Amino acid sequence: TQLLEQSPQFLSIQEGENLTVYCNSSSVFSSLQWYRQEPGEGPVLLVTVVTGGEVKKLKRLTFQFGDARKDSSLHITAAQPGDTGLYLCAGPGGTSYGKLTFGQGTILTVHP
Amino acid sequence: DAGVIQSPRHEVTEMGQEVTLRCKPISGHNSLFWYRQTMMRGLELLIYFNNNVPIDDSGMPEDRFSAKMPNASFSTLKIQPSEPRDSAVYFCASSLDLGSFYTFGSGTRLTVV
Repeated sequence: TQLLEQSPQFLSIQEGENLTVYCNSSSVFSSLQWYRQEPGEGPVLLVTVVTGGEVKKLKRLTFQFGDARKDSSLHITAAQPGDTGLYLCAGPGGTSYGKLTFGQGTILTVHP
Repeated sequence: DAGVIQSPRHEVTEMGQEVTLRCKPISGHNSLFWYRQTMMRGLELLIYFNNNVPIDDSGMPEDRFSAKMPNASFSTLKIQPSEPRDSAVYFCASSLDLGSFYTFGSGTRLTVV
């Protein structure tokens, strides 16, 4: 089973601060996805990274896929209260094609 | 499109009762996934279907859990009999095909007392 470990587990910051969330594995992934989940809702896809070393930007969010495709990071610049939520990384894995394995997630709280 | 629709949003039931969770995937999506989310274990894949056929049910915790997908627009997850440790949020997700990204429903919060 390919495991994804996320850190930190919890992050509580003030509005305007920068932060980075990490997603690591000992296995190589063909791609990794990042989702954000708000309370009472299901996860929503933010981005998919496919190529080793790839960097993708989504407004104030920057996603990077490691060169060896074993890790990824999410950096948020000038965090806003609206960024509050659970951030999950996910990658295809296991013996059955097509299923995603999710990390445990990082709970981010941005205080006004 | 209305997205993935799950019902009910909340379910409170007594231990030993049968519980049925329902899911309508996005029209045209060929793959459907049932996940369970708890604080302790995070998101766990229970079972998934492709073209209405179960592909992998290795995540189904016990024989008390069963899932069906009688057609492309409907799936059910049934727990019989339910136990307090089944309390969790159950998510249904669909994707265009295997390997595509998921679209999740809003989940069913199940509480077994």
